[in-house]
Amino acid sequence: GQQLNQSPQSMFIQEGEDVSMNCTSSSIFNTWLWYKQEPGEGPVLLIALYKAGELTSNGRLTAQFGITRKDSFLNISASIPSDVGIYFCAGGAGNMLTFGGGTRLMVKP
Amino acid sequence: GAVVSQHPSRVICKSGTSVKIECRSLDFQATTMFWYRQFPKQSLMLMATSNEGSKATYEQGVEKDKFLINHASLTLSTLTVTSAHPEDSSFYICSARDRPRSNQPQHFGDGTRLSIL
Repeated sequence: GQQLNQSPQSMFIQEGEDVSMNCTSSSIFNTWLWYKQEPGEGPVLLIALYKAGELTSNGRLTAQFGITRKDSFLNISASIPSDVGIYFCAGGAGNMLTFGGGTRLMVKP
Repeated sequence: GAVVSQHPSRVICKSGTSVKIECRSLDFQATTMFWYRQFPKQSLMLMATSNEGSKATYEQGVEKDKFLINHASLTLSTLTVTSAHPEDSSFYICSARDRPRSNQPQHFGDGTRLSIL
C-alpha cells in the first residue's frame, strides 16, 4: 500500500534536546495526524491538524499542516526519556488514513 | 473519550486454527472501523474497512476469505483469521472513528499479537 515519506527513520538524542521530524507526500490530504506507538501497543493520537497552514501545540509537541497540504512536521521540545517510541504521521483523505514509515526516537538520559 | 478496546491482546496457536479478534468502541458509536496489520519495525498497513451492516471493503492483496470481517453492531467489529499459518503471524490493530466521514480522527485499540506455530 501507499506510504508517506517520513524522516528521519530514527533519532538517538540526548535528554533535553529538541526533535524535529516530517512527512511529505505526492498527494494532497485533508487532515494530518501524528501518533505515537510504544512496543506492544496501538498508536496513540498526539495531534490532529485540519487546515492547511494550521499550527497546533500539545504540551511540548508542536505540529504544522503544510500550506501545500502535502506535508507536515512534528517538533518535540526539551525531550525527556518517556518520549521514547515510534512516531507516525498519517494523512487523511475521506475515510482513509495513509501512514508514514515511522520515526524511532531514542532518548539518552 | 473515544476509547477503543481490542481483545485478545495476544494469541499463540497451532497452524490451521482460526482466530477471532474483537474490536469495540467503548464510549461512542462507530459505523466504520478499520483493521490494520503491522509487521516488526514496519508501519501500519490497512487491510480492510469494516462497515456496520454491510460488507467490508478489502485492500488490494488482502484475501477476504482468509480475513473474515463482521461488523454487526455500532460498537463491535470482529476479524477472523481463518486457517491461520505462520506467515499470518503479525500485530493486528483495529481503529474506529466517532461518526462517519467526519474530521474525527481514528482512535486505535491496543493491538493483538498473533503468533502461529
